[in-house]
Amino acid sequence: EVQLVESGGGLVRSGGSLRLSCRGSGFNFNDAWMSWVRQAPGKGLEWVGRIKSKTAGGTTDYTAPVKGRFIISRDDSKDTLYLQMNSLETEDTGVYFCTTITWRAEVDNWGQGALVTVSS
Amino acid sequence: QSVLTQPPSVSAAPGQKVTISCSGSSSNIGNNYVSWYQQLPGTAPKLLIYDNDKRPSVIVDRFSASKSGTSATLGITGLQTGDEADYYCGTWDSSLSAVVFGGGTRLTVL
Repeated sequence: EVQLVESGGGLVRSGGSLRLSCRGSGFNFNDAWMSWVRQAPGKGLEWVGRIKSKTAGGTTDYTAPVKGRFIISRDDSKDTLYLQMNSLETEDTGVYFCTTITWRAEVDNWGQGALVTVSS
Repeated sequence: QSVLTQPPSVSAAPGQKVTISCSGSSSNIGNNYVSWYQQLPGTAPKLLIYDNDKRPSVIVDRFSASKSGTSATLGITGLQTGDEADYYCGTWDSSLSAVVFGGGTRLTVL
């Protein structure tokens, strides 16, 4: 069974930084493309970005609002995905889901989510 | 404002059928695969449909989907109260180089 467990969420002041981690199990993490999806309170889903597997080049893509501020990385030796969030804004508040994602951009497995609250 | 357009809400009685539309453009739905997600209250989303019209093995055949041109549709038959949830469509947008989601549709089973 695929499991994705996020950690590192919390309260941070506007302009601050936070790093989320996501440990994967039950699948071959090395071969998986991974992504982050967020959801502001009471709002819909917003894709944050993805990182391809190393064999697919290991490159990243981001949604426009986070480009230059967020960095997605992975440590395949630890089966762990990271989301480094810098220059945080109140609009970044929400639940952040760690996911696997196919090459067709289908988000096929979701973690339970980590809450990030950015205060002014 | 979402790139993909969904109705904010739909409703129907138990046992009935409902459809949820998702409208996009040639840079997203028109040339990429569409997926659908179900988010039950207080839980993480779950993949319902992938590759435009395919169901993961754990999803019952009351759920179906189709795609035509720059639009997609999710259908749910034999509605149950347990189907009350938010439903989202999603796809890749080649112009944005990003995954885009619809704004979500809340299903109420009256």
